[in-house]
Amino acid sequence: SAVISQKPSRDICQRGTSLTIQCQVDSQVTMMFWYRQQPGQSLTLIATANQGSEATYESGFVIDKFPISRPNLTFSTLTVSNMSPEDSSIYLCSVEEPTGYGYTFGSGTRLTVV
Amino acid sequence: GEDVEQSLFLSVREGDSSVINCTYTDSSSTYLYWYKQEPGAGLQLLTYIFSNMDMKQDQRLTVLLNKKDKHLSLRIADTQTGDSAIYFCAESRDSSASKIIFGSGTRLSIRP
Repeated sequence: SAVISQKPSRDICQRGTSLTIQCQVDSQVTMMFWYRQQPGQSLTLIATANQGSEATYESGFVIDKFPISRPNLTFSTLTVSNMSPEDSSIYLCSVEEPTGYGYTFGSGTRLTVV
Repeated sequence: GEDVEQSLFLSVREGDSSVINCTYTDSSSTYLYWYKQEPGAGLQLLTYIFSNMDMKQDQRLTVLLNKKDKHLSLRIADTQTGDSAIYFCAESRDSSASKIIFGSGTRLSIRP
């Protein structure tokens, strides 16, 4: 499986500010995925990040709120913009397993907005 | 829309077997997954099963699939303290990430 390094692991932020989360993979991958895990809930896909093109956002998520960068095949960032307490969640990045079945996840970023 | 449901909590005695259950609604599900999330960590893919299988065994893990009832289970034999985690069931029609639906997770706790 790919090894994913995600940082920061946690942060407490003031409302109205922005936080950028970084995700580094130890191998080149075509697609990287960003998920949100709200407290006590399951994972929801935010967007798919392809290198060299704009990210594809799922219903309910927009680029202005969650801008994504994908400068190369091993790195991506997700920014949570103009944060409110409702954005308090765990954010995880993910890449596809080499077998093509299932996905590997980073350790997540636990965000608390106060 | 599609839905995946799991019970929130399960407590078992160390050394016993744990059985975590999951039901899903999408009759077109092709891939079914079990993920493990330890405290402070990301999700780790434990195993997966195709919809044309009814059982898959991997060391202490046994996955049973009842496609007619849309019921998936994960059995952990000889449960150890290191098995304490949240276990997520997930299903998809294909291997595309946008189609994967996760359950809310079952928190497994081990008592001595």
